[in-house]
Amino acid sequence: DVQLVESGGGLVQPGGSLRLSCTASGFTFSRYWMHWVRQAPGKGLVWLSIIKLDGVTAEYADSVKGRFTISRDNAKNTVYLQMNSLKDEDTAVYYCARFEGLGGSPGDWGQGTLVTVSA
Amino acid sequence: QAVVTQEPSLTVSPGGTVTLTCGSSTGAVTSGHYPYWFQQKPGQVPMSLIYDIHNKYSWTPGRFSGSLLGGKAALTLSGAQPEDEADYYCLLSYTANRRVFGGGTKLTVL
Repeated sequence: DVQLVESGGGLVQPGGSLRLSCTASGFTFSRYWMHWVRQAPGKGLVWLSIIKLDGVTAEYADSVKGRFTISRDNAKNTVYLQMNSLKDEDTAVYYCARFEGLGGSPGDWGQGTLVTVSA
Repeated sequence: QAVVTQEPSLTVSPGGTVTLTCGSSTGAVTSGHYPYWFQQKPGQVPMSLIYDIHNKYSWTPGRFSGSLLGGKAALTLSGAQPEDEADYYCLLSYTANRRVFGGGTKLTVL
């Protein structure tokens, strides 16, 4: 079975940093683009970032560009989101997702990990 | 960054038909935006429903369909069921594969 499992969430102070991980199983990870999406409490979904197969090509939403960095380790079947200079408004559930790739359009989501930015 | 617009809320009667739309501040939504649709029920992880305008996943109920309509992406629900009550989000692709979600539509089946 396909699984995307996020980890690394927690409580962090404003201005702090956190690194989220999303470990994949059940498919050939290196063949798919990977996304990060977040959802603040009671709010809608917000797309954050994508990383392509080469692990170098990445794009970001304006709201996180320059503060967040996406990366992947195909040997570990893991995609990361390094989050720096965190703000209160970054408080959200963070999801990784697999929407497209060489193998098609799978549409999978992880279960999410909660990040709380608070003093 | 583009703004993607959806109806904030819609109501449909059980067994009825409703169309949700997804517009872009940059102009007409086209196949090049590769529209996706997602359903999210309270307290649950989003579920993918439609990709690339009209393609369904193996788990997508047959009563959902996607299209382009009047310059927007559209999600049509035909024969609404109580379990279809949820929030629905569209996702559009822009330059360099940056994506933007719409604000979501809260669908009530009543």
